[in-house]
Amino acid sequence: GQQVMQIPQYQHVQEGEDFTTYCNSSTTLSNIQWYKQRPGGHPVFLIQLVKSGEVKKQKRLTFQFGEAKKNSSLHITATQTTDVGTYFCAGPRYSSASKIIFGSGTRLSIRP
Amino acid sequence: DAMVIQNPRYQVTQFGKPVTLSCSQTLNHNVMYWYQQKSSQAPKLLFHYYDKDFNNEADTPDNFQSRRPNTSFCFLDIRSPGLGDAAMYLCATSRDPGGRETQYFGPGTRLLVL
Repeated sequence: GQQVMQIPQYQHVQEGEDFTTYCNSSTTLSNIQWYKQRPGGHPVFLIQLVKSGEVKKQKRLTFQFGEAKKNSSLHITATQTTDVGTYFCAGPRYSSASKIIFGSGTRLSIRP
Repeated sequence: DAMVIQNPRYQVTQFGKPVTLSCSQTLNHNVMYWYQQKSSQAPKLLFHYYDKDFNNEADTPDNFQSRRPNTSFCFLDIRSPGLGDAAMYLCATSRDPGGRETQYFGPGTRLLVL
């Protein structure tokens, strides 16, 4: 079945260091979304990418959609303690475009 | 502010005792979803409503039921909770169905089964 995997599973960085999470889908995606879930919180939508090779930036966050539309990445420059949380990518279900499938998530923790 | 509200935030129930979780939304969205999320895992879709149309996931246990009496409210009923049903239950909404629609999540209800 369709799988959306993220690596790494966990990342522990020193505050100020950069962070990258990679999202890989077993199927081509028409679009990809990214969500952030703070510890004890709920997923919050960050961004959506639609075009092949698309790059979008939100302040220190850079999102990229692969040329083949099967992978994506999120890069955070100079992490801050407010960046702590789990980052999920999500794409449309292959079997039903009305639903999304979440990636396995990358948990980011930061040493002050 | 328009939002998704879940009650209660924490629910403790006994093994086998029915429990109902509620979700309401002021976004006037057509689609409401229920997800189950266990520790360190991604949210897992249980079912969703598109207006009044109910869509169940193939691997959702029969123990889980849902009701959507109107646009604003949706309920998750767990008929006979087992220890394995302890989890965070997230309600989400989207304006329309489709993988391009942003989903708005409520704060979740954490269920503990004793």
